[in-house]
Amino acid sequence: DGGITQSPKYLFRKEGQNVTLSCEQNLNHDAMYWYRQDPGQGLRLIYYSQIVNDFQKGDIAEGYSVSREKKESFPLTVTSAQKNPTAFYLCASSPGQGAKETQYFGPGTRLLVL
Amino acid sequence: AQSVTQLGSHVSVSEGALVLLRCNYSSSVPPYLFWYVQYPNQGLQLLLKYTTGATLVKGINGFEAEFKKSETSFHLTKPSAHMSDAAEYFCAVSDPPWEGGGNKLTFGTGTQLKVEL
Repeated sequence: DGGITQSPKYLFRKEGQNVTLSCEQNLNHDAMYWYRQDPGQGLRLIYYSQIVNDFQKGDIAEGYSVSREKKESFPLTVTSAQKNPTAFYLCASSPGQGAKETQYFGPGTRLLVL
Repeated sequence: AQSVTQLGSHVSVSEGALVLLRCNYSSSVPPYLFWYVQYPNQGLQLLLKYTTGATLVKGINGFEAEFKKSETSFHLTKPSAHMSDAAEYFCAVSDPPWEGGGNKLTFGTGTQLKVEL
């Protein structure tokens, strides 16, 4: 079955630690996205990538980093510079770069700070 | 910059009653509009979207929405609520290409729908 997988489902971070969230898609989509969801705030865009080896900052990129070495993979690293990382992280992909494109979402990773 | 307002962070209806979830946007030109649904601890699923053409859009699970340019609104409705409709609903907009929006979505803050017996 085609879809988007995110792992792990839950992730615990210690103070000063970098952690990486995985996002993989087998839909052959060009574009991929990372969102952060906090209660009552909707979704906010962290980073997005329209093509392999290229990515752009979203609205809240500080304290995060990404890579796009393969079309199907778009991992997100939450660095120690992100002082409030506790949130639900959602990865999405879309077939192309157009504004009409539907974004398809993965099941999410919940990040908690120990 | 785009913005999306969803009036009512929580809406409660009786099973079988009309569902109305409100969404207003701000944009200098008609944007592309989306409604997504999220069940607890899951990702988002597209309900419907408006890009061009007919302003009344039908989606999955019996939902529909009407784009009203004069009111800058895209309210979501369903004639008869079912218990399985209980979830959080998000309205989102993206700018058309000529506005340089690319494929960036701006989301509203969501409306939690509760369906009571």
